[in-house]
Amino acid sequence: GAVVSQHPSWVICKSGTSVKIECRSLDFQATTMFWYRQFPKQSLMLMATSNEGSKATYEQGVEKDKFLINHASLTLSTLTVTSAHPEDSSFYICSARHRTLGGHTDTQYFGPGTRLTVL
Amino acid sequence: DAKTTQPTSMDCAEGRAANLPCNHSTISGNEYVYWYRQIHSQGPQYIIHGLKNNETNEMASLIITEDRKSSTLILPHATLRDTAVYYCIASSISGTYKYIFGTGTRLKVLA
Repeated sequence: GAVVSQHPSWVICKSGTSVKIECRSLDFQATTMFWYRQFPKQSLMLMATSNEGSKATYEQGVEKDKFLINHASLTLSTLTVTSAHPEDSSFYICSARHRTLGGHTDTQYFGPGTRLTVL
Repeated sequence: DAKTTQPTSMDCAEGRAANLPCNHSTISGNEYVYWYRQIHSQGPQYIIHGLKNNETNEMASLIITEDRKSSTLILPHATLRDTAVYYCIASSISGTYKYIFGTGTRLKVLA
């Protein structure tokens, strides 16, 4: 099946610093990737849609200047949390849209997630 | 994208079939039904999806009602490793193709 990786799997940083999370589709090309955030005991919340070669589309209430998204290639999207604060501590998950050639629909495949802790 | 509703939690005995229902009464004609599961502290794992016909793969079966307003995911022989939160999502591949996650069903498989 299609595999998506994330790096790092966990990160601890000091308040005020920036953290970059990478999302890679390992065995397929993804023109579209998505970023989600999940707080403890809650469901996934979509943050933004990342399209290769263009600006990301952010969901309502998500600060685009705080969560910088870059999708520079068909296999890599990055999320940078700028000036992180303790309230940004969360589980960040990416997904990549897998387009099925000749198949009957597309599917999102998810990375393993990155746990961010801001002290 | 259509909203989905699922029971908050379910228990199932190991070895028995687990039937997880999902309501998507406002689903539109071009929206597929996707099922994922999330084991604690991991990313969601794809299980199965369908449009209107029933589907089966090595993991599960998906039964969609004729009016498409609800569906059931069937794990034929649940094991302890199937304990997870199961999410049902309705999404169209045209347009934004966003997934809106509901609260999901927390399935606990009991020994």
